[in-house]
Amino acid sequence: EAQVTQNPRYLITVTGKKLTVTCSQNMNHEYMSWYRQDPGLGLRQIYYSMNVEVTDKGDVPEGYKVSRKEKRNFPLILESPSPNQTSLYFCASSLSGAGRTSYEQYFGPGTRLTVT
Amino acid sequence: AQSVTQPDIHITVSEGASLELRCNYSYGATPYLFWYVQSPGQGLQLLLKYFSGDTLVQGIKGFEAEFKRSQSSFNLRKPSVHWSDAAEYFCAVGGPGSARQLTFGSGTQLTVLP
Repeated sequence: EAQVTQNPRYLITVTGKKLTVTCSQNMNHEYMSWYRQDPGLGLRQIYYSMNVEVTDKGDVPEGYKVSRKEKRNFPLILESPSPNQTSLYFCASSLSGAGRTSYEQYFGPGTRLTVT
Repeated sequence: AQSVTQPDIHITVSEGASLELRCNYSYGATPYLFWYVQSPGQGLQLLLKYFSGDTLVQGIKGFEAEFKRSQSSFNLRKPSVHWSDAAEYFCAVGGPGSARQLTFGSGTQLTVLP
């Protein structure tokens, strides 16, 4: 089954304790992205990757890091989490190429992170 | 810069009634427009999309949306709502030159009364 998976689905942690949220897709997509969802703000893009070893900042990158060493994986790293990073996080991927369908993004199930 | 406004934070309709969710966008060129649905505890599922051509697009689950360039709108409609349609709905815009970045609206929460 074609899908985007995220782990963990739920995470409670403390301020300053480094964490990684994994994202993996099995559709051979070149493009991958991370969003955070907060009430009343919709989804805001954190980072995106056009291909392996190619990453760029989205709208809200502060406090986050990413890496793209393999096409299928795009982990999100919080080196020193703070309470304002408590949020629902979504990973997404899209088809390859420059065509219009490359804008159709497939989303993972989400990771609910709480930082105390 | 691209942006999306969903003016209705919360809408309540009775089962069987018609539904229209509003979406207004701002984009410098011809936009690509999307509606996604998020059921409780789930990720986002694509309902429908508009790239070009016919301004009335059909999606899954009986939804449709109409692109109106003159009004910068892409409203989502359904003629008869089912209880299972209760969810949060997001409109998104992207397009050539945006590096595949989608900008989402803040969402509209739909409640369906029995």
